[in-house]
Amino acid sequence: QLVLTQSPSASASLGDSVKLTCTLSSGHSSYAIAWHQQQPEKGPRYLMKLNSDGSHSKGDGIPDRFSGSSSGAERYLTISSLQSEDEADYYCQTWGTGIWVFGGGTKLTVL
Amino acid sequence: QVQLVESGGGLVKPGGSLRLSCAASGFTFSDYYMSWIRQAPGKGLEWVSYISGSGNTIYYADSVKGRFTISRDNAKNSLYLQMNSLTAEDTAVYYCARAPDDLAPGDYWGQGTLVTVSS
Repeated sequence: QLVLTQSPSASASLGDSVKLTCTLSSGHSSYAIAWHQQQPEKGPRYLMKLNSDGSHSKGDGIPDRFSGSSSGAERYLTISSLQSEDEADYYCQTWGTGIWVFGGGTKLTVL
Repeated sequence: QVQLVESGGGLVKPGGSLRLSCAASGFTFSDYYMSWIRQAPGKGLEWVSYISGSGNTIYYADSVKGRFTISRDNAKNSLYLQMNSLTAEDTAVYYCARAPDDLAPGDYWGQGTLVTVSS
């Protein structure tokens, strides 16, 4: 079964970097994923598509502070030079024929 | 610029029906798959359904299969979700999103419309 696992919460200080993790279920380590950001009371915003080899393509207007990387079944989103507006929920998503799957989301707090 | 605007949400009684719409602009609507995703209050995102650009390919999540129907009108640049036999578990903000094809993520999302199922 295709499942994405995310830690429920993370925190980091203003100006620092943070690395969020999304883990693919067993047998699905070759899958690409996408990262989405959801600021409070807003709809989600597509950040990037991240492939298993770590290559990624970002959405329109996404700052260079956002980057992605991969290792085995793990997919990472790194946000550098944290700003207050980065405080949001971050969801990973993957897909197969006839299905989209979302991780449970990580709530990022900027201290 | 790409815009997706959902409408049609509201309060409905259990067992009732509702039809959601998503108006698209800023891109060639028929070239894109379109999807519905929902988010229950305080919860994460849950995929509901998607439809190909031509409307010929449609998939549903098991939780809505047989109750919800996705459709599109490419002449009107609009996506729809007909929801029947609604229960409290369907209470959520419903988002539409576009995807370049069936093996790609949603790359633009709307702002959502709230559906509340309550007596």
